[in-house]
Amino acid sequence: GAVVSQHPSWVICKSGTSVKIECRSLDFQATTMFWYRQFPKQSLMLMATSNEGSKATYEQGVEKDKFLINHASLTLSTLTVTSAHPEDSSFYICSASSLGGYGNTIYFGEGSWLTVV
Amino acid sequence: ELKVEQNPLFLSMQEGKNYTIYCNYSTTSDRLYWYRQDPGKSLESLFVLLSNGAVKQEGRLMASLDTKARLSTLHITAAVHDLSATYFCAVDTGRDDKIIFGKGTRLHILP
Repeated sequence: GAVVSQHPSWVICKSGTSVKIECRSLDFQATTMFWYRQFPKQSLMLMATSNEGSKATYEQGVEKDKFLINHASLTLSTLTVTSAHPEDSSFYICSASSLGGYGNTIYFGEGSWLTVV
Repeated sequence: ELKVEQNPLFLSMQEGKNYTIYCNYSTTSDRLYWYRQDPGKSLESLFVLLSNGAVKQEGRLMASLDTKARLSTLHITAAVHDLSATYFCAVDTGRDDKIIFGKGTRLHILP
């Protein structure tokens, strides 16, 4: 089946630095990908919709300049957390949809743990 | 704005018992998802429900959808410890495959 891969699985960075997380659809093309963040014992909160070849659409309350999203190809979206702070430490998950016989199916990546120290 | 409510949020139950998790949503939708999440892991897709009256079963889990009542249920039959996890429902907003998640139900099954 379709697979969505995230990299890195976990990353530790210093406060004030930037970190990039990649989301790849391995065997299908995804015109749309989604980025979520999840704090411990909470639900997934949609951060933004990543659109191939155009600007991402951010959810209310998500800082565009802090969470930079680039969807340069049909198989890759990247999320860059700029000037990271400890409160940005979270589990970041991406998803992508693949068109199938019964409509689109959504596949989730394995997630990326970010710890800012 | 679509809102998705799950209940209960926490559930501790004995092995062998049956229980149901409920997912209510506030606006019309034609697609509902159920996911399982183990600690420290991403989501595992359990069911996709596409139409009113849809019922799907996999092992001890059965999901149903009533679009008129805007309600989905996830029923657990004769629970076993391996089913301990957090279960999320998510509802399609109808816009570009965007889905909204419920808060999740943390299920703990006691041996």
